[in-house]
Amino acid sequence: DGGITQSPKYLFRKEGQNVTLSCEQNLNHDAMYWYRQDPGQGLRLIYYSQIVNDFQKGDIAEGYSVSREKKESFPLTVTSAQKNPTAFYLCASSLQGDGYEQYFGPGTRLTVT
Amino acid sequence: SQQGEEDPQALSIQEGENATMNCSYKTSINNLQWYRQNSGRGLVHLILIRSNEREKHSGRLRVTLDTSKKSSSLLITASRAADTASYFCATDRNGNNRLAFGKGNQVVVIP
Repeated sequence: DGGITQSPKYLFRKEGQNVTLSCEQNLNHDAMYWYRQDPGQGLRLIYYSQIVNDFQKGDIAEGYSVSREKKESFPLTVTSAQKNPTAFYLCASSLQGDGYEQYFGPGTRLTVT
Repeated sequence: SQQGEEDPQALSIQEGENATMNCSYKTSINNLQWYRQNSGRGLVHLILIRSNEREKHSGRLRVTLDTSKKSSSLLITASRAADTASYFCATDRNGNNRLAFGKGNQVVVIP
């Protein structure tokens, strides 16, 4: 059963705490992405990785960090430096290169109080 | 920066009617993709159109691309209640699959 999974579905944290969101795929995709979605808004790219052990900042990387130690996994850490972390976080993967669709996970809704 | 930008409209239509939504962008692109998102879920890819294509069909979906006007439209024919969702366009400027998403169009199909 191929796909991309994110856990947990809902996450609650206190302000000042770091939190790590999980993203796993078994689609054998080289490229993986993290997006943030705020209510009524489109997706904004946080980080992306085109190959293991390599990743690049997206449009809103400040306050976030990632790692890509395995092809299947691309965890996102929301640090205490992120000023407004409450949002819906979406992970995606794709084949690398031109013109491939992205496959999305179900998302993690993070609430920080 | 946001590349794809849909007309910020919420559409409410009766089942069986057609739904049209538009997307404009600012710079040249390699391809443009449309995605659907049901409330609180991940996105699902609908269709991709390359910069050298003008029209593409997939089932009840029809996408057009006008690179001279930097715009695209998505038409859903004979809508169904299950088509109720938000629809996003996303542009790939450099062919590296780094997508820029628009804000989305919310479509409600009334049974």
